[in-house]
Order: sequence, then structure tokens, then C-alpha cells
Amino acid sequence: KAGVTQTPRYLIKTRGQQVTLSCSPISGHRSVSWYQQTPGQGLQFLFEYFSETQRNKGNFPGRFSGRQFSNSRSEMNVSTLELGDSALYLCASSAPGQGIETQYFGPGTRLLVL
Amino acid sequence: GDSVTQMEGPVTLSEEAFLTINCTYTATGYPSLFWYVQYPGEGLQLLLKATKADDKGSNKGFEATYRKETTSFHLEKGSVQVSDSAVYFCALRIISSGSARQLTFGSGTQLTVLP
Repeated sequence: KAGVTQTPRYLIKTRGQQVTLSCSPISGHRSVSWYQQTPGQGLQFLFEYFSETQRNKGNFPGRFSGRQFSNSRSEMNVSTLELGDSALYLCASSAPGQGIETQYFGPGTRLLVL
Repeated sequence: GDSVTQMEGPVTLSEEAFLTINCTYTATGYPSLFWYVQYPGEGLQLLLKATKADDKGSNKGFEATYRKETTSFHLEKGSVQVSDSAVYFCALRIISSGSARQLTFGSGTQLTVLP
């Protein structure tokens, strides 16, 4: 079974621009979560989607948004980019209702904001 | 709130040495516990997990036991290899009101194994 895929793998943007990142979960997984990883703050939860609905949200400003499509693929968007948004953005999928809901991670999208 | 405290790194060991990475947690509910590993330039890979007290998770020679009395989930390996060099993250996840909350991670421990 194919793992979680994320596109693009690398991005360079400038301050003020916006960016959209994409995540395709493992087949059959309906929950997708997004995390931001930075050297200073570590791994922080952004949001979780299940069946096209945001189920949970972390403590990030409204510039960070996401959505999920009917095929469970998810996108996250960051508007008005700031230097501090430079990070590795990780997507994880899980299959609710199948025990402990282990989350499986993709390789991440590395975003650099100049 | 929920939190995970990991042993500060970096940790440097010689090949075949014994490894322990300490992890303790505080949680408002009854968590499932995980260890993830991140190799350079990659995402997180699930290493092992445990869902209830006294469960032992194991994989690739790594082990961790869920200790509710000490709220700990220490990672151990009897003989490390150079290929084990990576960052290790301890994490917890709680099922609440029928749905799981997000993973809460520790700060990560960088392990370097020298030949």
C-alpha cells in the first residue's frame, strides 16, 4: 500500500506571498492532520480533517487554513507569508475506528520564506 | 494540558552500545504512546507504540514499556548500529469523546552512533 505523499517537496517563497501544500493520505485513511516542524518550536499541530470537516485545530493564526476533499486528499494554505513560516510541514493520515489511530507521516514539504 | 518531556540530546554512542532515551508524560486522559524516528531530510516514521499500561512496544530491536505508575515510556535498544543515527520523538495521543486528539510530541533526541 502506498504511503502518505506530499507535494511539492521543496518550496521557496518571498514574504507576503501565499502557498498551497498538498497531501494524499494512505488509501482508506479518512483523517488527515498537519504539523509544522521548526528547530525552535519543534513539532506543532496545525489542524485535522476528517470526512471533509475540520475536527481539530491548533494554536496558529488565521493565515493558516486547510481543507479536505471527498477523496480524503488535503491541502493547506498559508497566506501573507512571514519569515517565521519557514519550516517543514508534515502531513499524517490515520484510519479512525481502527483501534489506536496510529498516524502515518509523509516526507514533508520544506518551505523557505525569503 | 498534555505534554511530553524527553531526555536532552544530543546523544553520541559507539556501535553496539546500549541505548536508553528517557520519556515521561503528563496527560489529562488515558494516552496511547508512540516513538517516531526521523532520518535526515525525511518525515517521521513510526517506530513502535503501546496503548495501555504495561504494554511493551517493539520493533527493529527497539523496545519501550508503557509505565503508568511512573508516567514513562523510555526507549531502549541493546546494541545500536550506525544506521540508527537519527532524531527520536516520543509522543502521546488521547482518545476523548470518541475521537482522538492530536499527537503531542517531545522535543526530540538526536542520536549519533559512531563506528
